[in-house]
Amino acid sequence: QQQVKQSPQSLIVQKGGISIINCAYENTAFDYFPWYQQFPGKGPALLIAIRPDVSEKKEGRFTISFNKSAKQFSLHIMDSQPGDSATYFCAASDNRDDKIIFGKGTRLHILP
Amino acid sequence: NAGVTQTPKFQVLKTGQSMTLQCAQDMNHNSMYWYRQDPGMGLRLIYYSASEGTTDKGEVPNGYNVSRLNKREFSLRLESAAPSQTSVYFCASTRLAGNTGELFFGEGSRLTVL
Repeated sequence: QQQVKQSPQSLIVQKGGISIINCAYENTAFDYFPWYQQFPGKGPALLIAIRPDVSEKKEGRFTISFNKSAKQFSLHIMDSQPGDSATYFCAASDNRDDKIIFGKGTRLHILP
Repeated sequence: NAGVTQTPKFQVLKTGQSMTLQCAQDMNHNSMYWYRQDPGMGLRLIYYSASEGTTDKGEVPNGYNVSRLNKREFSLRLESAAPSQTSVYFCASTRLAGNTGELFFGEGSRLTVL
């Protein structure tokens, strides 16, 4: 049973365009939704995170949009750059246990 | 600034052999995790330890055992390796239980089981 569903699996975007990655979840007890970025040969690193008491969080070119009623959240990368080419993972957790569950990842490629 | 250190970085095993992956963090974190990463499957949680002295199963615990040796160290053991355990293994840690903070990952251990 996949608790966090992520789409698309892969994404190609022109430089300067907007990259959008979507995630959906079922467990209404989830209360923390981070996004991680992973470059080849490296471990994932936290990019941005949101809690369900807000609908949007922005950090530079990266924005999380959160829709609690639809149980969906998405990552938007504005003005995408070749250096953004990486694999992106959404994740979710609830503080009743300490599991952090990841989506299957999206491989993003930004064309120069 | 070591962060999370995993050893070994690469390992080749034959089916049925055993081995232990070591993980140590120097950030005084309470919670530690082992994930495996496979193409198209993302990061799947094997075991985690919310605090020193406790361990719990994650999504895919079968075929693995763990030991939280002390606050710094969390090891993952394969008692009888199988080809299905060929994967990249990541250890991670975070300061607080309850997922109020950032997960810090090691650089991974690439395991091949022949």
